Amino acid sequence: KAGVTQTPRYLIKTRGQQVTLSCSPISGHRSVSWYQQTPGQGLQFLFEYFSETQRNKGNFPGRFSGRQFSNSRSEMNVSTLELGDSALYLCASSLAREGSSVEAFFGQGTRLTVV
Amino acid sequence: AQKVTQAQTEISVVEKEDVTLDCVYETRDTTYYLFWYKQPPSGELVFLIRRNSFDEQNEISGRYSWNFQKSTSSFNFTITASQVVDSAVYFCALRYNFNKFYFGSGTKLNVKP
Repeated sequence: KAGVTQTPRYLIKTRGQQVTLSCSPISGHRSVSWYQQTPGQGLQFLFEYFSETQRNKGNFPGRFSGRQFSNSRSEMNVSTLELGDSALYLCASSLAREGSSVEAFFGQGTRLTVV
Repeated sequence: AQKVTQAQTEISVVEKEDVTLDCVYETRDTTYYLFWYKQPPSGELVFLIRRNSFDEQNEISGRYSWNFQKSTSSFNFTITASQVVDSAVYFCALRYNFNKFYFGSGTKLNVKP
């Protein structure tokens, strides 16, 4: 069974640009959540999508957005990039039925560097 | 508010020593789930174990063992006879709502040969 696939693995962007990151979950998983990891703030929840609907949102500005497609693949977009957006962005895939104790499986992440 | 605290920022041990990673959590929910993840230098978070709030049974899996105590809100993780390959950052996490995790700040484990 293929794991969670994130593309690209590395990105270098310039301040002010926008970027789109992609996440393909494990086959059969309908929940995809996104996390930002930085040395200063650690792992922070961005948002979660389930069946193409955003179910949860973290405390990030509107420049961070996402969507999920009918095949459960998800994309995350960051507009007007700032230096502070440099981070490892991790995607997690889960069956995530409410009330179930299933774990989330993570991809290898996309390392974004803003210069 | 949900919160996970890993007080140990970094631990260094010599190979074959036992090491315990501490995790303390805060939540007002009666149903919640606790996890441990390992993050090697490659960046991927590797799932190790999960525990439900209503299941305090401790577990041993090979060299790994977990101690979950609701009375002290702790979910500690022990590696017996550590190996160099165990070197990584370990995260304790709390999940209570859909697929949203609250992570601790992580404990970096250095196992020296």
